[in-house]
Amino acid sequence: SSELTQDPAVSVALGQTVRITCQGDSLRSYYASWYQQKPGQAPVLVIYGKNNRPSGIPDRFSGSSSGNTASLTITGAQAEDEADYYCNSRDSSGYQVVFGGGTKLTVL
Amino acid sequence: QVQLQQWGAGLLKPSETLSLTCAVYGGSFSGYYWSWIRQPPGKGLEWIGEINHSGSTNYNPSLKSRVTISVDTSKNQFSLKLSSVTAADTAVYYCARVVVVVAAPYYYYMDVWGKGTTVTVSS
Repeated sequence: SSELTQDPAVSVALGQTVRITCQGDSLRSYYASWYQQKPGQAPVLVIYGKNNRPSGIPDRFSGSSSGNTASLTITGAQAEDEADYYCNSRDSSGYQVVFGGGTKLTVL
Repeated sequence: QVQLQQWGAGLLKPSETLSLTCAVYGGSFSGYYWSWIRQPPGKGLEWIGEINHSGSTNYNPSLKSRVTISVDTSKNQFSLKLSSVTAADTAVYYCARVVVVVAAPYYYYMDVWGKGTTVTVSS
């Protein structure tokens, strides 16, 4: 399978912890990368590899992986974290690229 | 700091060819893949294809018959052509730099993105 599956929407109370998941066979071979996209803006990489944050990404963002499931965790969600989040990887063939359908995060 | 600047026609008629170019500033062109991604209004991200500095390409099978991605290393630019466009190709098109680590565990991520170009297909 070359698909990545995400929950369409997740909500979290301000200051609480939220986990966004991504499932797919390709994640057994490739680490997922995670992107945050706010309305009208280009996606921004927030997590890549085992659990790496690009410069400028707050340490409340973390990633983990087990089997065919990758997770993005936001510990102490802030209002500015409200956005769409997408996971991404190469597929198992190594020649195609897949995105998850995206998860809309609402911070209450 | 690497920046991607993209440009191209924003309004097309059905059956025309979409043409976009992305220029890479402030960083090496070699050692990476360079990708095109699109996002229809209100929908998620869709990978179109990618190319490396030597011209090796991978394409989304659903678009492969209409897509050509090329590279001009002398200008640090890569381009997208999508032929026979229809209204379904209306989207924001992004270019991105791709890092691929092919030694296990495998890494694949897009660390630098262009700002996006809105392309509308309408008669």
